[in-house]
Amino acid sequence: DGGITQSPKYLFRKEGQNVTLSCEQNLNHDAMYWYRQDPGQGLRLIYYSQIVNDFQKGDIAEGYSVSREKKESFPLTVTSAQKNPTAFYLCASSILRAGGSSYNEQFFGPGTRLTVL
Amino acid sequence: AQSVAQPEDQVNVAEGNPLTVKCTYSVSGNPYLFWYVQYPNRGLQFLLKYITGDNLVKGSYGFEAEFNKSQTSFHLKKPSALVSDSALYFCAVRAPYSGAGSYQLTFGKGTKLSVIP
Repeated sequence: DGGITQSPKYLFRKEGQNVTLSCEQNLNHDAMYWYRQDPGQGLRLIYYSQIVNDFQKGDIAEGYSVSREKKESFPLTVTSAQKNPTAFYLCASSILRAGGSSYNEQFFGPGTRLTVL
Repeated sequence: AQSVAQPEDQVNVAEGNPLTVKCTYSVSGNPYLFWYVQYPNRGLQFLLKYITGDNLVKGSYGFEAEFNKSQTSFHLKKPSALVSDSALYFCAVRAPYSGAGSYQLTFGKGTKLSVIP
């Protein structure tokens, strides 16, 4: 799982609660990503960030929020507006080449499994 | 829009036999292609990538993949399967850089490989 840590490993949320998933990397990577994984659906991109204090919506951003105050950290908040948050959440990072182009592989953390009670 | 298809939800192979996990893609321009492996309740691990050059790419753990531009395919192969290869395999694609955000990876839905002793 490289130099990316995610916490907690398991998280339980009550209806109407906001919860925050942590993602930290010590790889000095510029770009960071959040994915959601559901059985049989592969990985879907929630948010990504190319640089500190900047981030972009992915394919399924509704009901989620992020921040990127430090290069090493990219926390994801699952808000009460996300109606079906039970899933496995994966954080990833990658380097960027000069000019923002990147074809380098993404490195993934071990994941957080979120369950709504 | 870019897309990836993994036509088989599950592949079963006997230990010691060759294995193939299929992937086809659709993207504008020359593709950047990746294979990842995921063990239960873990993050994704990078196996190999094709960016340019030789159509046969060698990666980790004895895996290789063949890029076929005319068939828009990037099948994962291994000459002799091990029981420990049993896992979930993901193919991913991205298009060449064309502006901010264009380096997003699109993942297939995954193929579960079971190697039978």
